[in-house]
Amino acid sequence: GAVVSQHPSWVICKSGTSVKIECRSLDFQATTMFWYRQFPKQSLMLMATSNEGSKATYEQGVEKDKFLINHASLTLSTLTVTSAHPEDSSFYICSASSPGTGNTEAFFGQGTRLTVV
Amino acid sequence: QKEVEQNSGPLSVPEGAIASLNCTYSDRGSQSFFWYRQYSGKSPELIMFIYSNGDKEDGRFTAQLNKASQYVSLLIRDSQPSDSATYLCAVKTAGNDMRFGAGTRLTVKP
Repeated sequence: GAVVSQHPSWVICKSGTSVKIECRSLDFQATTMFWYRQFPKQSLMLMATSNEGSKATYEQGVEKDKFLINHASLTLSTLTVTSAHPEDSSFYICSASSPGTGNTEAFFGQGTRLTVV
Repeated sequence: QKEVEQNSGPLSVPEGAIASLNCTYSDRGSQSFFWYRQYSGKSPELIMFIYSNGDKEDGRFTAQLNKASQYVSLLIRDSQPSDSATYLCAVKTAGNDMRFGAGTRLTVKP
């Protein structure tokens, strides 16, 4: 299947700093990428939908000024957590889909575990 | 009402038994349905997808879809301890984004 690479796989940062997470589709062009957050023992919660070349669409309750999403190319989307706080500590996962992959499933990155201290 | 609902479990079955996982969804315009398995601390991995009403079998797994009832299920035959994980039902909505259920935690006891 198609490959989505997410980097870094884990990161520890100090409160108040910013962290950037990258999501790359390695063997297909991802017109749409999704960013999820998952707290322990909870399900994936969609944060935003990122479309190449346009502004991301954020879910209700997600602060767009805090979680900056950029999808500048068909193979790369980034999520920047600005002024991170301990409550932002979570597992962040991206997924990508494209009609060109032959089906409509979402391919997931390996996730990024963010710990804010 | 949540867009995708699953029983959170935990569901416990003995090794060799059939595990039955259920999911309902609210968006009647949804066309694509997926089952993902997620081990603790890992990303979800796709098990099966189904687009048409009826059953779809792949090895020990069978997905069932009933669009009229807005219901999709996953059966795991001959359950193995390695099947112990959280199973996520996902629905691609008419708006083309993927919505996940809360997941059902399955434990297969040896």
